[in-house]
Amino acid sequence: EAQVTQNPRYLITVTGKKLTVTCSQNMNHEYMSWYRQDPGLGLRQIYYSMNVEVTDKGDVPEGYKVSRKEKRNFPLILESPSPNQTSLYFCASSSLAIQYFGPGTRLTVT
Amino acid sequence: GDSVTQMEGPVTLSEEAFLTINCTYTATGYPSLFWYVQYPGEGLQLLLKATKADDKGSNKGFEATYRKETTSFHLEKGSVQVSDSAVYFCAPKGSGNTPLVFGKGTRLSVIA
Repeated sequence: EAQVTQNPRYLITVTGKKLTVTCSQNMNHEYMSWYRQDPGLGLRQIYYSMNVEVTDKGDVPEGYKVSRKEKRNFPLILESPSPNQTSLYFCASSSLAIQYFGPGTRLTVT
Repeated sequence: GDSVTQMEGPVTLSEEAFLTINCTYTATGYPSLFWYVQYPGEGLQLLLKATKADDKGSNKGFEATYRKETTSFHLEKGSVQVSDSAVYFCAPKGSGNTPLVFGKGTRLSVIA
């Protein structure tokens, strides 16, 4: 089954404790991206990747890092999380402009 | 840059009512247009799309027509069901490597 998986689905952490949210797709897509979804603000792109070792900033990259060492994986790294990064995060991969989304990771930073 | 404006919600309708969610956009080049839907507790999924002027995308009883002259892509459904309760996102995509731009979403609640 074609899918995008994210882990963990839920995470509560404390300010400053580094964390990684994993994302994996099994569709051999070149393009992958990360979004955050906040009430009243819709979806905002954090980072995207056009292919292995090619990443670029989206609209709200501050406080985040990504890497793309393999085509299928695109982890999101928060080196020092802060409460304003409390949000719902989605990973997506795409082919021919159609995006396929993961189920989301709800992150709470206290 | 590319942008999209869609009507703000929440929208509350009774079952079998007619639905319209307005969407207008600005995008570089000749964009493709998409509607995505997010059911409670899930990620977004593609609902329908249109890639050229006057194209009509349709799926699950929903329709949207690519109106280049008015730069609009309004979502319609003739008779909504409770199961249509979700958040709907309009998203244009400009040509080339331009990323999708999502609207803020419109929450639809359908009551029996």
